[in-house]
Amino acid sequence: GNSVTQMEGPVTLSEEAFLTINCTYTATGYPSLFWYVQYPGEGLQLLLKATKADDKGSNKGFEATYRKETTSFHLEKGSVQVSDSAVYFCALSRKNRDDKIIFGKGTRLHILP
Amino acid sequence: GAVVSQHPSWVICKSGTSVKIECRSLDFQATTMFWYRQFPKQSLMLMATSNEGSKATYEQGVEKDKFLINHASLTLSTLTVTSAHPEDSSFYICSAPAAGQRSVGRETQYFGPGTRLLVL
Repeated sequence: GNSVTQMEGPVTLSEEAFLTINCTYTATGYPSLFWYVQYPGEGLQLLLKATKADDKGSNKGFEATYRKETTSFHLEKGSVQVSDSAVYFCALSRKNRDDKIIFGKGTRLHILP
Repeated sequence: GAVVSQHPSWVICKSGTSVKIECRSLDFQATTMFWYRQFPKQSLMLMATSNEGSKATYEQGVEKDKFLINHASLTLSTLTVTSAHPEDSSFYICSAPAAGQRSVGRETQYFGPGTRLLVL
C-alpha cells in the first residue's frame, strides 16, 4: 500500500545551520508529494509540493526534489531560523484518485538561537 | 488564499455527551472534505471522507455511529462525536481539496486550524 516514512525527531539545530529532513515513500503509480508544516498552536499549512519526477518544490527557503529513482522527497534549507521551529509532515496524494493524503509521522524541529 | 475554518477551536465536555464540530470552507466550495484525528506527537489519522449530498466514507476501524458526519452544503461539514468518552479526547482536523482552483492544483488541500476536544 501507499505509505510515507520520515526521519524521527525531534531535530535540534542552531540558528543558521543546514537542515535536512529525510522522507521516503511507497506508492503505486506517480503520486504528488508534499511537505506540510504545523507551527505551535496552528493548523497544517502547505509548505511546498512536487507533482512529477525531478520537480523541485520550494518556499520560504525550503526545497525538496521529487526523486523517483530513490522514492524520496527530502526537505532541505540552507540556513534555518528560530521561526522555523515547527512540526514538518511529508505526505503523498494519489493524483486523479480519491484526493486522500497520506501523511508521515511528522518531525519536530527545534531551532536554538 | 483559500481558508478553512473550524468551530469550536476547543471544547471540554462531560463523558456521555455529544459534541459537534463544524468545518467551513470560507471562500471556495468543497464537495469533499476530510476529517482527521491527531494524537499527541503523532501524525494525522484519516477518519473519514465527507461527501456533499451523500453518505460519508469511513476508514477502516472508525465507528460510523460514533463519529457522525454530515456534509450539509458545499461549504460546511460537521463531525459529531456521540456519547463522548475520555478516549475520544484528541485534536480533530478537517481539510478540503483545492478543487477548481487551477493555479493550486486539485491535489492540494487546505486544513482547518483544528478542534481540541477534552472529555472529562
